[in-house]
Amino acid sequence: EVQLVQSGAEVKKPGESLKISCKGSGYSFTSYWIGWVRQMPGKGLEWMGIIYPGDSDTRYSPSFQGQVTISADKSISTAYLQWSSLKASDTAMYYCARVRIVVVVAATYYFDYWGQGTLVTVSS
Amino acid sequence: SYVLTQPPSVSVAPGQTARITCGGNNIGSKSVHWYQQKPGQAPVLVVYDDSDRPSGIPERFSGSNSGNTATLTISRVEAGDEADYYCQVWDSSSDPLYVFGTGTKVTVL
Repeated sequence: EVQLVQSGAEVKKPGESLKISCKGSGYSFTSYWIGWVRQMPGKGLEWMGIIYPGDSDTRYSPSFQGQVTISADKSISTAYLQWSSLKASDTAMYYCARVRIVVVVAATYYFDYWGQGTLVTVSS
Repeated sequence: SYVLTQPPSVSVAPGQTARITCGGNNIGSKSVHWYQQKPGQAPVLVVYDDSDRPSGIPERFSGSNSGNTATLTISRVEAGDEADYYCQVWDSSSDPLYVFGTGTKVTVL
């Protein structure tokens, strides 16, 4: 059974650093991209970036480039999302999700399994 | 960047059919995927590649895509279908690569 298990909720102050995790199991962790998705309170889904744990190839959304760092440790099947200096506007639920690729006429990419989410609250 | 527009809300009586649209420029040339998100839960994939269903998703969920509009159709709506629904596309020529729609709240009357 494919599972993505995320680390627990965090409460931080502005300016603090944070690293949250997403551990995959039930599949070959190094063979699938993992994505991170933000959901601010009462808002929709926003794609932040993806990483291929096999070689750590990483892509970011322009909105999040330079704001966060995505990494992975394939030895423990875990992906990470980290901030060096949190802002109040980083308060949100963060989801990791596995990327599935389907090639029919052309390739398409979607998220087939999701973690349970990590709530990050940044407040002074 | 590519933009996907959904109606904010759709209301439907139990047993009736709900149709949720996802508008985008020439979206018919792309593959569209749909997610259901119930309150306090992570999103769940309900339709991928326009009209395919993952295992475990009821046949009541179906999708279509043509021109500038993709549609998720929920037949014989049940109270348990009340949720937010998001469309999503991947576009190699777009930045960001992955784009989500604005989301639609489905209310079962």
